[in-house]
Amino acid sequence: NAGVMQNPRHLVRRRGQEARLRCSPMKGHSHVYWYRQLPEEGLKFMVYLQKENIIDESGMPKERFSAEFPKEGPSILRIQQVVRGDSAAYFCASSPTFGETQYFGPGTRLLVL
Amino acid sequence: SQQGEEDPQALSIQEGENATMNCSYKTSINNLQWYRQNSGRGLVHLILIRSNEREKHSGRLRVTLDTSKKSSSLLITASRAADTASYFCATDQTSGSRLTFGEGTQLTVNP
Repeated sequence: NAGVMQNPRHLVRRRGQEARLRCSPMKGHSHVYWYRQLPEEGLKFMVYLQKENIIDESGMPKERFSAEFPKEGPSILRIQQVVRGDSAAYFCASSPTFGETQYFGPGTRLLVL
Repeated sequence: SQQGEEDPQALSIQEGENATMNCSYKTSINNLQWYRQNSGRGLVHLILIRSNEREKHSGRLRVTLDTSKKSSSLLITASRAADTASYFCATDQTSGSRLTFGEGTQLTVNP
């Protein structure tokens, strides 16, 4: 049973470009969470999704950021018109049900030049 | 201050010693989880303790939870150099499923 998979592991973008981060949850997990970690800080919640539904996006900036978890395929975190402040590690986690252990992927490290 | 604060911020010990890290939080929780993160890597889940539990063990790890004081501790016994990492507590509040992380404790175990 493969763990949570994220790709790419490293992503370099220039200011103004788009960044697409992918997350495949563990098999049998239908709950996906995205977190952001700035250097030397803890993780900050961004968004919580179930298949085809956004449950809680209160931690996600209102502009430029969007997330989806389609019926088929991975969850996608999309950042439009990236700025230097978006440089961070973005982690995805999945769980089988609400309130259970969240298992984290290896993260995508985004660098905006 | 924020939900899920660890102390100390940094801890340096010798191999074989025990390491204790503390976590405090502010609101009611469903459960509290401890994670470990090696530099530049992802998070590894260590242990989950539910709000109706007081203590859990897993190998060399011992976690306690005091809901009256809104605090938890993680004890690593007989530490090894390979235990060097950042340790985070994360609370799952009863109002939702998001995890709220603290800033972490950086543990260094010297050989």
